[in-house]
Amino acid sequence: GAVVSQHPSRVICKSGTSVKIECRSLDFQATTMFWYRQFPKQSLMLMATSNEGSKATYEQGVEKDKFLINHASLTLSTLTVTSAHPEDSSFYICSARDQTLDPTWEGYTFGSGTRLTVV
Amino acid sequence: AQKITQTQPGMFVQEKEAVTLDCTYDTSDPSYGLFWYKQPSSGEMIFLIYQGSYDQQNATEGRYSLNFQKARKSANLVISASQLGDSAMYFCAMRGGLYGQNFVFGPGTRLSVLP
Repeated sequence: GAVVSQHPSRVICKSGTSVKIECRSLDFQATTMFWYRQFPKQSLMLMATSNEGSKATYEQGVEKDKFLINHASLTLSTLTVTSAHPEDSSFYICSARDQTLDPTWEGYTFGSGTRLTVV
Repeated sequence: AQKITQTQPGMFVQEKEAVTLDCTYDTSDPSYGLFWYKQPSSGEMIFLIYQGSYDQQNATEGRYSLNFQKARKSANLVISASQLGDSAMYFCAMRGGLYGQNFVFGPGTRLSVLP
C-alpha cells in the first residue's frame, strides 16, 4: 500500500531557531500533500495544502511566513518552522494521496508525525 | 462548513466486549465521505473504515463496523470483541465532496480497554 515517510519523528530545538520536517511518498507520486498540526489532547487541524510546483495554500490563521512549505518534487514536501517559539511545540503530521487509487476513499496515507518541542 | 462532533472524550470497555463510539456530522455537501482513524500513543493515524454518503449498506472491516444513519447525520463506530491493543484515540473525520481532499477531524474519543 501507499507509504508516507515523515522525518524526523521527534525534534527538540531552541527558541528562535528553524526546524525542517520532511514528508516523502515512498512508492507513489503525490501532487498534493497536506500538513496538519495537533496540540496535546486536541484534534488534527489542517494547516496548509502543499501543491507540487506551486505555492502552498494556507488555512486561515496560519502564518505563511512562519510555516514555510516547499513541494519541489512529486515525492517530497517540507515544512519549515521558522524562528520557532515554545507555542509552536506540537505534533505535526503530513498526509498524501496516491492518485492511482480510488479517489473516494483509498490512498490517503498519513505520515507517522513529528513531535516538535521548542525550549 | 463541515463539522464533526464526538461527544465522548473518554470511554472504557471490558476486553472482549463491544463498544460504540459516537460521531455526528454537519455538512451542506450532498456527497461526502466519512472515516474513522485510530491514533495510538505513537502518533500515527491508522485508517479503520470508510462510509460514502451514497453507500446503501453500512461499512464493515473485520471487527469494525460503521453504523451510518444519514437522516440523523451520525456515523458511529462499533468495535466488536475489544482487545487491549484497541486502547487509543479514535477520530471521526469527513472529507467534503465525494472527491474532496482534506479531512475535517472530530475532537476524538480516548478508548481504554480494561483486562
